[in-house]
Amino acid sequence: SQQGEEDPQALSIQEGENATMNCSYKTSINNLQWYRQNSGRGLVHLILIRSNEREKHSGRLRVTLDTSKKSSSLLITASRAADTASYFCATDYNNAGNMLTFGGGTRLMVKP
Amino acid sequence: DAGITQSPRHKVTETGTPVTLRCHQTENHRYMYWYRQDPGHGLRLIHYSYGVKDTDKGEVSDGYSVSRSKTEDFLLTLESATSSQTSVYFCAISRGDTQYFGPGTRLTVL
Repeated sequence: SQQGEEDPQALSIQEGENATMNCSYKTSINNLQWYRQNSGRGLVHLILIRSNEREKHSGRLRVTLDTSKKSSSLLITASRAADTASYFCATDYNNAGNMLTFGGGTRLMVKP
Repeated sequence: DAGITQSPRHKVTETGTPVTLRCHQTENHRYMYWYRQDPGHGLRLIHYSYGVKDTDKGEVSDGYSVSRSKTEDFLLTLESATSSQTSVYFCAISRGDTQYFGPGTRLTVL
């Protein structure tokens, strides 16, 4: 499987702290995306970074991509209890069909 | 919200019975996908479709078939359900490079 791998698998922090999640992948990609999943719900797209980009911001989210190390990180600043969810990275491996390969996810718990 | 609905939302069935899950979209997207989600495995692609009557296999297609006779509907069929197919099933559509997901169907095979 060419699945990406997230690290850590679980993360528990206090409200107001920053949360960092990492994703590693195996082969060259077109883009890498991060999704969020609240318990019992479908995944929601957060942010996309293309292979020729190194950093991208969206609100309190910051994503970096290092293609030489085949890794990405998602930083959530000033976390809130509402950020509690699972976060998944997904990679587009240049396949036809807009197919994505998802990692196993990081479970984030933000304590009030 | 990409107007994706899934039915049923919950189903309990017995081993050996056929099961069909339905995904419906309202925005005429070309690409549609079926995934399963299991603890420790993230989402794994079962089948996908790139148009009416155009489908292809994903990573975990064994034991599943799909059909797409209309743009808006993508059906996933378990011909003879097994306990290993107990899972949460998500449908998705592609809009540009991004995928949008339905609410999921929780299937339990006893």
